[in-house]
Parts: sequence; C-alpha cells; structure tokens
Amino acid sequence: KAGVTQTPRYLIKTRGQQVTLSCSPISGHRSVSWYQQTPGQGLQFLFEYFSETQRNKGNFPGRFSGRQFSNSRSEMNVSTLELGDSALYLCASSLVGAGTDTQYFGPGTRLTVL
Amino acid sequence: KQEVTQIPAALSVPEGENLVLNCSFTDSAIYNLQWFRQDPGKGLTSLLLIQSSQREQTSGRLNASLDKSSGRSTLYIAASQPGDSATYLCAVKKGAQKLVFGQGTRLTINP
Repeated sequence: KAGVTQTPRYLIKTRGQQVTLSCSPISGHRSVSWYQQTPGQGLQFLFEYFSETQRNKGNFPGRFSGRQFSNSRSEMNVSTLELGDSALYLCASSLVGAGTDTQYFGPGTRLTVL
Repeated sequence: KQEVTQIPAALSVPEGENLVLNCSFTDSAIYNLQWFRQDPGKGLTSLLLIQSSQREQTSGRLNASLDKSSGRSTLYIAASQPGDSATYLCAVKKGAQKLVFGQGTRLTINP
C-alpha cells in the first residue's frame, strides 16, 4: 500500500505570495491532518479534515486554509506569505475508528519564504 | 492546555547500550500516546501507539510504557544501533485527531 504523498517536496516563495500544498492520504484513509514544523515551535497542529469537512483547527491565522476533496486528497493554502511561514509542512492520514488511530505522516513539503 | 515535555533534548550513547527516552504530559485525560522517529529533513515514522487503556506496547527492540495517572511515558530501546540515530517524538491525542507533540529527543548512537 502506498504511503502518504505530498507535493511539491520543496518550494521557494517570496513574501506576499500565496502557496498551495497537496497531500494524498493512504488509500482508504478519510482523515487528513496538517502540521507545521519549525525549529523554534516544533510541530504544531494546523487543521484536520474528515469527509470533506474541517473537524478541528489549530491556533493559526486565517491566512492558513485548507480543503479536502471527495477522494480524501487534501490541499492547504497559505496566502500573503510571511518570512515566519518558512517551515516543513507535514500531513498525516489515518483511519477513523476504535483501535485505528495511528497517524501516518508524509515526507513533508519544505517551504522557504524569502 | 495540554503540554508535552521530552527530556533529555539530546542524548549520545555508544552502540549496544540500552536506553530510555522520557515523555511527560500535563493533562492525563488522553485518548492515546504515539511515539515517532524523524530522520533529518524527513517526515515522521510511527513507532508505537499506546491506547489510554494500555500500559505498554512492544515492537522488536522497542518498548513503550504509559502511566496515565502520573502523565508519563517512556520509550525503551534495547541494544542500540547506529541506525537508531534520529529524533524521537512523543505525541498525545485527546479526543479528535489533533496530536500535541513534545519537542523531541535527538538521539545519536556512536559506533
């Protein structure tokens, strides 16, 4: 079974631009979560989608948004990029149900904002 | 607010040693706890998941324990190898799919 895939793997943008990152979950997984990882703040939860609906949201500004499609693939968008948005963005997928809580992470998208 | 702490931040040991990584959390009302490893510049690899009703889980040379009442978990690595060098992260889940992570322990195994 293929793992979680994320595209692109690397991105370089300038301040003020916007960016869209994509995540394809493991086949059959309907929950997709996004995390931001920085050296200073560590791993922080952005949001989680299940069946095309956002179920949970972390403490990030409205510039960070996401969506999920009917095939469970998810995208996140960051508008008006700031230098502090430079980070590794990770998505994770999981089955939802008793005893199936393991979250499987993709390799991440490394975003650099200049 | 749930806070997760991992001590030590970094650990260097010679190959072959058994070692213990520590994780503590402030809110004992968790759903489960998961241990991950992360290699430099890479994503996270799930190692072990312990449900709140369980006390420990084992996989190969790894053993993770959970003491929910005291807010602690340990990851025991037996007979360490250079390939075990990585950052180890613990994360707790309360309810929904949101994980709260510790800052990690950077482990170096010296040949």
